[in-house]
Amino acid sequence: EPEVTQTPSHQVTQMGQEVILRCVPISNHLYFYWYRQILGQKVEFLVSFYNNEISEKSEIFDDQFSVERPDGSNFTLKIRSTKLEDSAMYFCASNDPRVSSTDTQYFGPGTRLTVL
Amino acid sequence: GESVGLHLPTLSVQEGDNSIINCAYSNSASDYFIWYKQESGKGPQFIIDIRSNMDKRQGQRVTVLLNKTVKHLSLQIAATQPGDSAVYFCAENNDAGNNRKLIWGLGTSLAVNP
Repeated sequence: EPEVTQTPSHQVTQMGQEVILRCVPISNHLYFYWYRQILGQKVEFLVSFYNNEISEKSEIFDDQFSVERPDGSNFTLKIRSTKLEDSAMYFCASNDPRVSSTDTQYFGPGTRLTVL
Repeated sequence: GESVGLHLPTLSVQEGDNSIINCAYSNSASDYFIWYKQESGKGPQFIIDIRSNMDKRQGQRVTVLLNKTVKHLSLQIAATQPGDSAVYFCAENNDAGNNRKLIWGLGTSLAVNP
């Protein structure tokens, strides 16, 4: 069964450093998402991406964040200058309602980002 | 504002019993609801979904009930097994203006005692 994959599984970085989190969505899906989950808290929407552009972003997704689909398979989240409060699990998701006839989003295993 | 919340943060059941996990939502415009299961260290896993034009949907050992009058969603798990132990999240979505983001509840931790 196809699945969303994410790398790395765990990223440790120093405050102020740039990080890039990588995702490979399910092939033939056209909608891509990033969510984050701070330890012990609920999952929060960051951004949605469709047709090579951001379709919606949350207040969390400020100028320090960017997303990119550099090729036909990868979808990346970049944080330019990490802050301590960026420490969280970051989940990538994808879907294509035209294929699945639902809005079900399929999630990757997540990347745990630790900012020191 | 819009929000999704859960009534019970933790639920402990005996193996073989039925489990009921509840969720309240406040956005009456939401038209699609999903239950996800999250095991420790893993990403959310889709369990079952329901659209607002339905009030009940059944899957394998799971049933989702939607009461739009009181904006309440529940997940019923029949014959709960140890493998069902996880955190369960409800999430809502409305497609107004192609808004596809999911709004999540806090989660309920389900512990199944053997």
